[in-house]
Amino acid sequence: DAKTTQPNSMESNEEEPVHLPCNHSTISGTDYIHWYRQLPSQGPEYVIHGLTSNVNNRMASLAIAEDRKSSTLILHRATLRDAAVYYCILRDVRGGNEKLTFGTGTRLTIIP
Amino acid sequence: GAVVSQHPSWVICKSGTSVKIECRSLDFQATTMFWYRQFPKQSLMLMATSNEGSKATYEQGVEKDKFLINHASLTLSTLTVTSAHPEDSSFYICSARDPGTGDNSPLHFGNGTRLTVT
Repeated sequence: DAKTTQPNSMESNEEEPVHLPCNHSTISGTDYIHWYRQLPSQGPEYVIHGLTSNVNNRMASLAIAEDRKSSTLILHRATLRDAAVYYCILRDVRGGNEKLTFGTGTRLTIIP
Repeated sequence: GAVVSQHPSWVICKSGTSVKIECRSLDFQATTMFWYRQFPKQSLMLMATSNEGSKATYEQGVEKDKFLINHASLTLSTLTVTSAHPEDSSFYICSARDPGTGDNSPLHFGNGTRLTVT
């Protein structure tokens, strides 16, 4: 899987929006952009994924740059339960490749 | 939604003993499951891919004779840490994808097993 770059940590105030950036300048045309998050002492959980168009679901929004070399995960109104490590992962599913390669992620701290 | 269950959630064992960790897909069949290991303050590292009915595929640097993987059914994969030593203490996490939800559907992760070897 192609490499992604994320800030090591970010802080945000509770009830405010959070924008988590991810750079993936070597992304290929068949790479999907996936976001997972890991709460303390738990396994990762899926947040959202996309290919070219922006995506919205009940958890978050994903904004993808026009050249696809970067993306931003948007939490519209952060709560204390959103404190976690957020991983941006590129996944090429050609040939049935299913495994995920995790980078270091962004540790999000929510300030009450 | 799809759920992956891991058991036990934590285990403490003595050095030299073996520990078995189970990973079950509760409402879907998984021909492939993935085993990860995570040390404190670090990211997840893929250890091996478990394949139902065939041998597991191990990542470079992972000893297959130490970390035995058995994927005997479409809903169960087990990881056995043999002759455990304190350096094997870690957080072990399994994951699987529901093949019935499309090629690019997300992976579902278990809640992890914290192994402490004394």
